[in-house]
Amino acid sequence: EDQVTQSPEALRLQEGESSSLNCSYTVSGLRGLFWYRQDPGKGPEFLFTLYSAGEEKEKERLKATLTKKESFLHITAPKPEDSATYLCAVQAGGSGGGADGLTFGKGTHLIIQP
Amino acid sequence: DAGVIQSPRHEVTEMGQEVTLRCKPISGHDYLFWYRQTMMRGLELLIYFNNNVPIDDSGMPEDRFSAKMPNASFSTLKIQPSEPRDSAVYFCASSWKGGVYEQYFGPGTRLTVT
Repeated sequence: EDQVTQSPEALRLQEGESSSLNCSYTVSGLRGLFWYRQDPGKGPEFLFTLYSAGEEKEKERLKATLTKKESFLHITAPKPEDSATYLCAVQAGGSGGGADGLTFGKGTHLIIQP
Repeated sequence: DAGVIQSPRHEVTEMGQEVTLRCKPISGHDYLFWYRQTMMRGLELLIYFNNNVPIDDSGMPEDRFSAKMPNASFSTLKIQPSEPRDSAVYFCASSWKGGVYEQYFGPGTRLTVT
């Protein structure tokens, strides 16, 4: 069964204080790893897709990286508007989440204090 | 584009009643997904469709749940009879293709069963 574990569950940072969120995964044949941002009362918003180990993608203050067992979401000099829950999800070729459905972690709740 | 549209945004019903949730995917998207989000279990895939045909319904919790997609622009998720443990936020998502293409989520329907 495909599994995704995110840590920490919650993280409180000061504005400008850089940090990283972790996503560990176990899947049968990774096809893609996704990062989403979710604001309270809203649906998840797509951020990145990573396909293979060693790949990196950046968007503003966010950078996502991928290894064979985990992914990191690095947040550089965050601002209060970066406060949200960050979700990691995997898409596998096995039967865990369906060939096309996503298996999600429970997310990291990030708070950036001014 | 208006994005994925879901209705109603909030639903409060009594145990035993029938509940119907509605979704309009992004125009041109071939895949439609239904997810459920709870604090305890996070986001879970319930069922998904490709070209209006159900592909994988292994995530549907029990026979009380059913989903249909009569055409490319409309899908329903029905719960009959509803139970308090069905209380959750239900998300619809759509994507252009299957495989490693990002899924775009709607705003969700918050269901409360008393």
